[in-house]
Amino acid sequence: DAKTTQPPSMDCAEGRAANLPCNHSTISGNEYVYWYRQIHSQGPQYIIHGLKNNETNEMASLIITEDRKSSTLILPHATLRDTAVYYCIVRVPFSGNTPLVFGKGTRLSVIA
Amino acid sequence: DSGVTQTPKHLITATGQRVTLRCSPRSGDLSVYWYQQSLDQGLQFLIHYYNGEERAKGNILERFSAQQFPDLHSELNLSSLELGDSALYFCASSAGQGTSQPQHFGDGTRLSIL
Repeated sequence: DAKTTQPPSMDCAEGRAANLPCNHSTISGNEYVYWYRQIHSQGPQYIIHGLKNNETNEMASLIITEDRKSSTLILPHATLRDTAVYYCIVRVPFSGNTPLVFGKGTRLSVIA
Repeated sequence: DSGVTQTPKHLITATGQRVTLRCSPRSGDLSVYWYQQSLDQGLQFLIHYYNGEERAKGNILERFSAQQFPDLHSELNLSSLELGDSALYFCASSAGQGTSQPQHFGDGTRLSIL
């Protein structure tokens, strides 16, 4: 079972920031938070990951609370192409046997 | 482009048949994972190979098998196909164990059983 909780759906106006929350209250000290998205039926696309510090890359920013029990993915200027299902996943990366466990994710709709 | 290549993109076959799905991982990646995505089950992990060896199994049916070859490409074999096997099958690769580097997914193979 997925160890994260996400809202089933969200809307965001085009050009505005999209803030997608994720609750992972049972996260353990060595688990990373990974974010993926899936556009229609394409393969899941990696977005960003982090352990405890905030992270930023060309796609998004990841804000992890100090107690690490929740995080927020921020798409700074959402476009219509960002419409997708976004998955928040926690995983211990140093165990090679651990696959990604996908929950139901958040369906983000970017509206013109 | 994730760098992970899956063939074929689409496959249509009949019940009882056998098919082989192929995955070429990103250059340098030693780990290959297979996932199944059906409408009612979401993305489900099937099996993981690392450098030619099976490392973990998920909800993979006995009718399904996989292998990873010395050149690191992987094949997923599905036999005695049933209507319920219709799904998207994704392959993902990563650098391997002992790293936080993410898995990168291919565009999948859409399998339709008639």
